[in-house]
Amino acid sequence: DTGVSQDPRHKITKRGQNVTFRCDPISEHNRLYWYRQTLGQGPEFLTYFQNEAQLEKSRLLSDRFSAERPKGSFSTLEIQRTEQGDSAMYLCASSGDGLSYEQYFGPGTRLTVT
Amino acid sequence: QKEVEQDPGPLSVPEGAIVSLNCTYSNSAFQYFMWYRQYSRKGPELLMYTYSSGNKEDGRFTAQVDKSSKYISLFIRDSQPSDSATYLCAMISGNTGKLIFGQGTTLQVKP
Repeated sequence: DTGVSQDPRHKITKRGQNVTFRCDPISEHNRLYWYRQTLGQGPEFLTYFQNEAQLEKSRLLSDRFSAERPKGSFSTLEIQRTEQGDSAMYLCASSGDGLSYEQYFGPGTRLTVT
Repeated sequence: QKEVEQDPGPLSVPEGAIVSLNCTYSNSAFQYFMWYRQYSRKGPELLMYTYSSGNKEDGRFTAQVDKSSKYISLFIRDSQPSDSATYLCAMISGNTGKLIFGQGTTLQVKP
C-alpha cells in the first residue's frame, strides 16, 4: 500500500496525559499537512510542512501541541496535557511538489480523552 | 460567517437519482477547488480537483465551478447505494496549499 498511513488508528487516554501520533506520507510527497476533525464538521487545518520545515501553524495549534518532521519523511504530532476538548479525529495528508495541490489523506487517528 | 458554507443535509435519494451537492464561499482568492468523499470513520478520499470556472467530468461525477458567483457544485449521476457517504468541498487558501473545508453533506442513496 503506497498511500498515507497513520498510527495508531485509535487512542484512548486520560485527561492530562501526553499522546503522540505518527504519519507516514506518500513517499515522493514533500508537503505534509495535519488537520483535526470533530463530529459533524469538516477537517480544520492545524499545520503544514514542506520537507522538514514547518511553514505554517493554525491558531488552533495551542502551545500544548507540537509537530515535527525531522528528516522530511514521517511526521509526529504530540499533544501534551490532553483535555477532553482534544477528542477528535486527527488527519494527515500529503501532496507533491509543484503546482499540484491535490492532497491525499490517511485514515486518521481517533483520539478519545476521558 | 464561515469562509465556506455547505448544507449538512442529510440528503436522501433513491438509487439512480441525480444528486446535486453545493458549496458557497466568500474569499475570492480561492483558486483551487476539491471534492472529497468520506465514509464513516475513514479519512477523506479525493474525488475531483479543479481550478477553473466551468465543468469537469470524471465518470458519474461532474464538478462545476462558478467563480463569479463563488459557487461550486458536484453532480452524481446514476447514484448508487455505495455513494452513501459525507461529501466535503474544500478550497485552497494561500500558497501553502492548506485546505479550507465545508461542513460536509451527508448523502444516503436508498436501494
